[in-house]
Amino acid sequence: AQTVTQSQPEMSVQEAETVTLSCTYDTSESDYYLFWYKQPPSRQMILVIRQEAYKQQNATENRFSVNFQKAAKSFSLKISDSQLGDAAMYFCAYKGNQGGKLIFGQGTELSVKP
Amino acid sequence: DVKVTQSSRYLVKRTGEKVFLECVQDMDHENMFWYRQDPGLGLRLIYFSYDVKMKEKGDIPEGYSVSREKKERFSLILESASTNQTSMYLCASGIQGTETQYFGPGTRLLVL
Repeated sequence: AQTVTQSQPEMSVQEAETVTLSCTYDTSESDYYLFWYKQPPSRQMILVIRQEAYKQQNATENRFSVNFQKAAKSFSLKISDSQLGDAAMYFCAYKGNQGGKLIFGQGTELSVKP
Repeated sequence: DVKVTQSSRYLVKRTGEKVFLECVQDMDHENMFWYRQDPGLGLRLIYFSYDVKMKEKGDIPEGYSVSREKKERFSLILESASTNQTSMYLCASGIQGTETQYFGPGTRLLVL
């Protein structure tokens, strides 16, 4: 069975600095998708970025980028120029080709200090 | 923009009551999902649907049922609410083949 692990329950970053959130996963599939979702205090789950496993190029979305290491089964999220509005719980998620569900990690609580 | 709405943000019910949680999406998505989110347990899939009148069990379907009579609406039903169903319930929808899921704002349910 696939699993997703986020080893950092909490992280903190200074405003305008860069922070990296870690995620590892376990799967025997070769074709899959990886996501980072953000859940602010409002509890709305917001898609931050997605990565297709067949693409070698790392996905980028404005200040958010990923470091996708397929062989190592690692999928970290880098937030550049951190803003106060980035404070939230961040979830890494996996979706394979079997079935419709997303498999989520336990989440990393990010705080941003002014 | 994709919009997924849920009928209530907060709900308080009594043990034994029948509870309906409604989810509506306005983007003609084929796929719809119900998750529950609990501290320490993360998000767990309850049920999902690939099309009207179709449903598939997720990881924790016990105590729940679903209904999808129209493409845009996916209802989660607690036939007889119990205190262990107190949780945050998140609905999501997505286009078949794109794999991305878009979430609603969530319903925080308290069963007394």
